[in-house]
Amino acid sequence: DPKIIQKPKYLVAVTGSEKILICEQYLGHNAMYWYRQSAKKPLEFMFSYSYQKLMDNQTASSRFQPQSSKKNHLDLQITALKPDDSATYFCASSRDSYNNQAPLFGEGTRLSVL
Amino acid sequence: GEQVEQLPSILRVQEGSSASINCTYENSASNYFPWYKQEPGENPKLIIDIRSNMERKQTQGLIVLLDKKAKRFSLHITDTQPGDSAMYFCAAITGGADRLTFGKGTQLIIQP
Repeated sequence: DPKIIQKPKYLVAVTGSEKILICEQYLGHNAMYWYRQSAKKPLEFMFSYSYQKLMDNQTASSRFQPQSSKKNHLDLQITALKPDDSATYFCASSRDSYNNQAPLFGEGTRLSVL
Repeated sequence: GEQVEQLPSILRVQEGSSASINCTYENSASNYFPWYKQEPGENPKLIIDIRSNMERKQTQGLIVLLDKKAKRFSLHITDTQPGDSAMYFCAAITGGADRLTFGKGTQLIIQP
């Protein structure tokens, strides 16, 4: 059974709309992340959270907003969607941040923006 | 920040032979280097990692080498099998940070 659950698995959106990507992990990890994978940029770091606090942010656009309602949840809200946002978004987690541990990845949400 | 270069982008090898993938990094403060394998439509899965206090690590047909002076690390897959066909990504974590910087990936194709 997957320990990092991402919903939905597939998502189609229209340009200009807003979507929320859901992520919850049942590994007891304290650090959670979002990564993006597209044909243009294979695997790209977006955000890291530790104990529900933002630790690092690589995303230039404020259209991407992570939301952590619980320690094991890290959702990603994307507003004003553009076709260039089409990608697979991976949530990941590790026991702690700043401890040099390879994160485990969820199965991803495949987003297509038309 | 960190930049990771990965070569080759495509690698074709005969079944049973060895495959080697090379990565270089820029930031001398990088101290942890995991490798991920990704099959089509799936998530990246950690297969082996090495920390900066090591030069070599081996597990189940995989060997990772790290040359800190040259800022270079490599993955060697011995006795390749059809199930080894996949995308492989190297990555680096810089000390004091928790973000992975990935290489662009190597498509490994095992030919019968």
